[in-house]
Amino acid sequence: AQSVTQPDIHITVSEGASLELRCNYSYGATPYLFWYVQSPGQGLQLLLKYFSGDTLVQGIKGFEAEFKRSQSSFNLRKPSVHWSDAAEYFCAVGAGTDKLIFGTGTRLQVFP
Amino acid sequence: DAGVIQSPRHEVTEMGQEVTLRCKPISGHNSLFWYRQTMMRGLELLIYFNNNVPIDDSGMPEDRFSAKMPNASFSTLKIQPSEPRDSAVYFCASRIRGTAYEQYFGPGTRLTVT
Repeated sequence: AQSVTQPDIHITVSEGASLELRCNYSYGATPYLFWYVQSPGQGLQLLLKYFSGDTLVQGIKGFEAEFKRSQSSFNLRKPSVHWSDAAEYFCAVGAGTDKLIFGTGTRLQVFP
Repeated sequence: DAGVIQSPRHEVTEMGQEVTLRCKPISGHNSLFWYRQTMMRGLELLIYFNNNVPIDDSGMPEDRFSAKMPNASFSTLKIQPSEPRDSAVYFCASRIRGTAYEQYFGPGTRLTVT
């Protein structure tokens, strides 16, 4: 069965520091992978997606993610975090149907 | 584009009352999804529609929950009777079928059942 694991429930970084949020997936075929961000009281907003081709994908707000098939990972990165990046981040995999399988989320806290 | 529109944004009701949540998908999108988000269970898919037809309702918790999509621009999620454990944020999302699963989420309805 398809699954997504986000091993870090909560991450705290200082403003200006680099960030990497981990995501591992389990899926038999070539996955469609997504990162969404949810600010407090808001819906989920798509940050970036991977369908095929270049394994390093760029998204909005300065985020990027790298697909590594050998590690079944799709980690999200940002070189310099801003206080406004504090939010919850969800990794998701397209499950071969219309549905998305979401991870449990990583809450990012940013200290000034 | 206005994005996915949900109403109401907040709903407080008493146990036993009927609750109706509404969603207007993005124009041109032909798949619609209802999710529920709680601290304990995270984000759960309740039901989804393709071309206004319910495809998978296996996530609907019980018979108290029902969803309809009478046309391409409107869907409802109804809870009757409501219970305190139904308190959650309910999200609607839409997408175009065939574009590799990218979903667009609405702002959600925060439901509190007292």
